[in-house]
Amino acid sequence: NAGVMQNPRHLVRRRGQEARLRCSPMKGHSHVYWYRQLPEEGLKFMVYLQKENIIDESGMPKERFSAEFPKEGPSILRIQQVVRGDSAAYFCASSPLAGSGKNIQYFGAGTRLSVL
Amino acid sequence: EDQVTQSPEALRLQEGESSSLNCSYTVSGLRGLFWYRQDPGKGPEFLFTLYSAGEEKEKERLKATLTKKESFLHITAPKPEDSATYLCAVQQAAGNKLTFGGGTRVLVKP
Repeated sequence: NAGVMQNPRHLVRRRGQEARLRCSPMKGHSHVYWYRQLPEEGLKFMVYLQKENIIDESGMPKERFSAEFPKEGPSILRIQQVVRGDSAAYFCASSPLAGSGKNIQYFGAGTRLSVL
Repeated sequence: EDQVTQSPEALRLQEGESSSLNCSYTVSGLRGLFWYRQDPGKGPEFLFTLYSAGEEKEKERLKATLTKKESFLHITAPKPEDSATYLCAVQQAAGNKLTFGGGTRVLVKP
């Protein structure tokens, strides 16, 4: 049973380009979460999605960032017109259930985004 | 707003020297408190979930405990392979996101 798969593992973009980060949840998991880890800072929640729905985007920057989890395919975190401050590790997590005692989030290995 | 504070920020131990990590939290209705381990360049690896004060869980050399205000992760007779950053996170009863502390970097020297 494969874990949470993220790709690419490393992504280099120049200022102003777009970054697309992909996340495939664990088999049987229908809930996806994105977190960001800035250098020398802790993990910060960004967004929580179920299939075709954004449930909680309270941690998403207001501009340039968007996320989706389509009916088919991986979840995508999209950053438009990247700036140097977007350089960070972006982690995806998935869980089988929400709102229950078994809501354990399992994390992927992350995508390290570097903006030149 | 939920807050999680971990101490110490860093801990250097000799192999076999037991110690404890602290996680203090404030949350509006706790659903669960989570401990993760993170190695450099990797994602957090799930260790434990605690749901109510007084609960304890153990796994090999690690034991996690929970009170109404804090959690402890006890490392008994650590080995060099226990070197990692240990992360504590809380989850509200009303939501699903995790709020993380800054982590404790543990280095166990042989």
